Amino acid sequence: DAGVTQSPTHLIKTRGQQVTLRCSPKSGHDTVSWYQQALGQGPQFIFQYYEEEERQRGNFPDRFSGHQFPNYSSELNVNALLLGDSALYLCASSLAGVGYNEQFFGPGTRLTVL
Amino acid sequence: KQEVTQIPAALSVPEGENLVLNCSFTDSAIYNLQWFRQDPGKGLTSLLLIQSSQREQTSGRLNASLDKSSGRSTLYIAASQPGDSATYLCAVTGGSEKLVFGKGTKLTVNP
Repeated sequence: DAGVTQSPTHLIKTRGQQVTLRCSPKSGHDTVSWYQQALGQGPQFIFQYYEEEERQRGNFPDRFSGHQFPNYSSELNVNALLLGDSALYLCASSLAGVGYNEQFFGPGTRLTVL
Repeated sequence: KQEVTQIPAALSVPEGENLVLNCSFTDSAIYNLQWFRQDPGKGLTSLLLIQSSQREQTSGRLNASLDKSSGRSTLYIAASQPGDSATYLCAVTGGSEKLVFGKGTKLTVNP
């Protein structure tokens, strides 16, 4: 049973560019959440997708956007990259409606903005 | 606004020692609490999940407790091993599935 997968593993961009990160949820899961983890910090919630719609959003600017596809996979897009966007981006999946909603994380995408 | 604090920020122990990691949260109206392990530069591995109605969960050498009323959780690791060296993160949800994390405790177990 494949767990949560993310691509690419690493990415280097320059300021002002745009980036797209991808996530495939664990088999059977229908909800995808994205988190940003700066060095030495805990992950911060960006947004969550369910039934192809953004269900919740954290305190991130509109430069951060996302999408969920009918097969439940998801993309995170960041426009006009800033140096401060350098971080590990984590995707988590879960099954909506299950009592305790345990979340499973992927290996992350390390984004470096120069 | 929910805030999660983990103490200590770093901990170094000799192999074989039993240890306790602490997590506190400001809003006791949580739905569940999860403990994760993170190796350097890697993703998160879920260790234990405690539902709000539960007091503790156990998995092998790990035991996590939850006291909602005081806003505290502890992760107990028995007979620590060098392979336990990692950062341990605590996170809570308020029913919305959004996880609020602490900054983690970096554990080093010395052979």
